[in-house]
Amino acid sequence: NAGVTQTPKFQVLKTGQSMTLQCAQDMNHNSMYWYRQDPGMGLRLIYYSASEGTTDKGEVPNGYNVSRLNKREFSLRLESAAPSQTSVYFCASSESSSYNSPLHFGNGTRLTVT
Amino acid sequence: AQSVTQLDSQVPVFEEAPVELRCNYSSSVSVYLFWYVQYPNQGLQLLLKYLSGSTLVKGINGFEAEFNKSQTSFHLRKPSVHISDTAEYFCAVSDGGGSNYKLTFGKGTLLTVNP
Repeated sequence: NAGVTQTPKFQVLKTGQSMTLQCAQDMNHNSMYWYRQDPGMGLRLIYYSASEGTTDKGEVPNGYNVSRLNKREFSLRLESAAPSQTSVYFCASSESSSYNSPLHFGNGTRLTVT
Repeated sequence: AQSVTQLDSQVPVFEEAPVELRCNYSSSVSVYLFWYVQYPNQGLQLLLKYLSGSTLVKGINGFEAEFNKSQTSFHLRKPSVHISDTAEYFCAVSDGGGSNYKLTFGKGTLLTVNP
């Protein structure tokens, strides 16, 4: 049971470089999310996709773009990385976007921007 | 707007001792409350949730939490902790709109269980 798989696990970028974080889930979930986790800040929602074909901004979308490639995959792109984007990024999925549908998280991508 | 306050950033305890992790929330409407746990180098997983009904909810691994509307609290408790309970615990609240994308997480409480 893979659940939610994120790649890569670690990444170091220089300021201005771009990269895409990949996320795939095998639970046939409709909704997917990208969060960032910073020390002492908890988790903050970057973008979400309530269902295949839709994406919406979360609390901290600036500097990011997303693509819901299909029902399984939801990628996060940094077009021009900045040191402020150094963080741990988590992808999550849920059967629906309802509160009654628990979030399932991947193990995270640790990104450092120098 | 809703918010969540986890009153302790770190809680060290000895094995087999009881523990309480405190969480207070603010919201102008009815809420749904959650506790998630993050073990080292892993993602978060749901520990328990309060949606409605009984104010005492039981979760996995022997944890329980009590919803107290008058005190706007949702404290997490375990009567006897194990070394394996060492993890970061996040309280989260979703307002009456009830969508996961409106979930607000607290800043987390690091529980360290010492032998």
